[in-house]
Amino acid sequence: AQSVTQPDIHITVSEGASLELRCNYSYGATPYLFWYVQSPGQGLQLLLKYFSGDTLVQGIKGFEAEFKRSQSSFNLRKPSVHWSDAAEYFCAVGFQTGANNLFFGTGTRLTVIP
Amino acid sequence: DAGVIQSPRHEVTEMGQEVTLRCKPISGHDYLFWYRQTMMRGLELLIYFNNNVPIDDSGMPEDRFSAKMPNASFSTLKIQPSEPRDSAVYFCASSRPPLQETQYFGPGTRLLVL
Repeated sequence: AQSVTQPDIHITVSEGASLELRCNYSYGATPYLFWYVQSPGQGLQLLLKYFSGDTLVQGIKGFEAEFKRSQSSFNLRKPSVHWSDAAEYFCAVGFQTGANNLFFGTGTRLTVIP
Repeated sequence: DAGVIQSPRHEVTEMGQEVTLRCKPISGHDYLFWYRQTMMRGLELLIYFNNNVPIDDSGMPEDRFSAKMPNASFSTLKIQPSEPRDSAVYFCASSRPPLQETQYFGPGTRLLVL
């Protein structure tokens, strides 16, 4: 069955430290991959997406993600976290099954400490 | 563009009452999605439309839930009768075809059923 997993429910990092949020999927072919961010009380905003081509994609707010087919992963990274990055991060996967919907991971809550 | 518009932003009602949530997608977007977000279940797709036609409603929890899209610029999600377990944040999102296109989320409606 198709699925997407975010193994970390909550991560705490210090401001200025690097960040990596994990995302793994289960699917027989290459999916479409997205990272969304949700600030408290807000809707979801797209950070970046991967469809094909270069496996390292750049997004907004200094985020990047790398698609690794061999590991079925699409981890989100940022070299230096800012306090304003504190939010909930969702990995989402679109599968090439003809259904036009996304499957979302359960989210990772990021806390940034001074 | 104004983005996806949802109303109301907050709704408090009593068990047994009818609740109607409204959504205006981004102009030109052919797809409209309704999601529900809870702490226990995360973000779940309830139903989505393509060109005003419901395509997949397998996520609708039960017959108390119904959704309509009478035209390209308006959709409703109705719960009748409402129950306390329906308390959640309901998001509407829209996108252009095809699947690879980004889904743009509204700010959500926070529903509390007492």
